[in-house]
Amino acid sequence: EIVLTQSPATLSLSPGERATLSCRASQSVSSYLAWYQQKPGQAPRLLIYDASNRATGIPARFSGSGSGTDFTLTISSLEPEDFAVYYCQQRSNWLFTFGPGTKVDIK
Amino acid sequence: QVQLQESGPGLVKPSETLSLTCAVSGYSISSGYYWGWIRQPPGKGLEWIGSIYHSGSTYYNPSLKSRVTISVDTSKNQFSLKLSSVTAADTAVYYCARAPGMTHFDYWGQGTLVTVSS
Repeated sequence: EIVLTQSPATLSLSPGERATLSCRASQSVSSYLAWYQQKPGQAPRLLIYDASNRATGIPARFSGSGSGTDFTLTISSLEPEDFAVYYCQQRSNWLFTFGPGTKVDIK
Repeated sequence: QVQLQESGPGLVKPSETLSLTCAVSGYSISSGYYWGWIRQPPGKGLEWIGSIYHSGSTYYNPSLKSRVTISVDTSKNQFSLKLSSVTAADTAVYYCARAPGMTHFDYWGQGTLVTVSS
């Protein structure tokens, strides 16, 4: 089973700052890496799929990069609504796993 | 607009079987795509339970495989989850979602909390 590690566990930033979230896989997942945003009491929302493709309706301030084992989600300038938990997810050998999440909170 | 809605008992007794259904609207399951179940224990992260293709092919999380059955009913445009021999560790919010290409989940239901308790 491929294990995903996310860092940092918590990121404390101010609105307008740049957020850089990391997701590392225990072995290569090619580009089958997605990112989700989850706010309290809500279902996860797809942000990025196939490592770098923004989902429908996702603002351009969200971008994804990486391949193989190292991936990054960047939020170029944090808006108040961006403070949430972010999960990465991979699919390999027809199995999915999720990372433990990174909480982005207000500094 | 694709919408998914989970339904089923909110309380299940230990050792019994948890049964949930996901009704899909705005898209015909028989047209294609994979569909899946994901759960989230209170205050914890996301765990994939399993997925099904519209034709009925299934894929399960190895850690749950012995207890999970996912099925699809294209005539009702819905798919279902059964999880047997539940314990308190199975208490979670259960989500259903669409998985295009079996690579990610683009549409999610709102989730339903299932508590395992006597």
